[in-house]
Amino acid sequence: GENVEQHPSTLSVQEGDSAVIKCTYSDSASNYFPWYKQELGKRPQLIIDIRSNVGEKKDQRIAVTLNKTAKHFSLHITETQPEDSAVYFCAASIGNYGQNFVFGPGTRLSVLP
Amino acid sequence: NAGVTQTPKFQVLKTGQSMTLQCAQDMNHEYMSWYRQDPGMGLRLIHYSVGAGITDQGEVPNGYNVSRSTTEDFPLRLLSAAPSQTSVYFCASSYSWGRETQYFGPGTRLLVL
Repeated sequence: GENVEQHPSTLSVQEGDSAVIKCTYSDSASNYFPWYKQELGKRPQLIIDIRSNVGEKKDQRIAVTLNKTAKHFSLHITETQPEDSAVYFCAASIGNYGQNFVFGPGTRLSVLP
Repeated sequence: NAGVTQTPKFQVLKTGQSMTLQCAQDMNHEYMSWYRQDPGMGLRLIHYSVGAGITDQGEVPNGYNVSRSTTEDFPLRLLSAAPSQTSVYFCASSYSWGRETQYFGPGTRLLVL
């Protein structure tokens, strides 16, 4: 079955610096890759996603890149702010219709003022 | 719209007890799912449904039952609670199945003694 690895498990950056989180997946049939942000005690919320026919997608300070050949995708956050501190999860679609997801174990990002 | 709602927010059970975690959505979403979240393991799919009357197992279904008699509701039943089921449970829904944005409920924190 699909296996999603995520690195690093924890990441500390200075405010204003960039943060990069990387995920790899094993199932070449996966074709949709969302990223979720989860603040302490809250629900996961989608922040950006990418489909397999696109190599890169950007939304203000957040961008995601996808390398289908290497089976990895990355989240890039630029000009980090304290409110970016949270746990970030990547996920990959699975199933005959891509209806389900396998999640990575998460990255705890701390943005230091 | 209330979005995805879950009850209760917190529950303590004794080993062997049964209970039902409630999940409802008012967005007319076809797809609904249940995840459990354990420290360091991300979110793992328990059961999912692609429409009323249709359910299927996810990655970790043992010890849990589901049913989907209406589009709006997707309850999760613990038949005989075990300490290993101590976790945070999230319900999620999406408009359709297949590479769609998932919206998560606020979660239910379950402690089994």
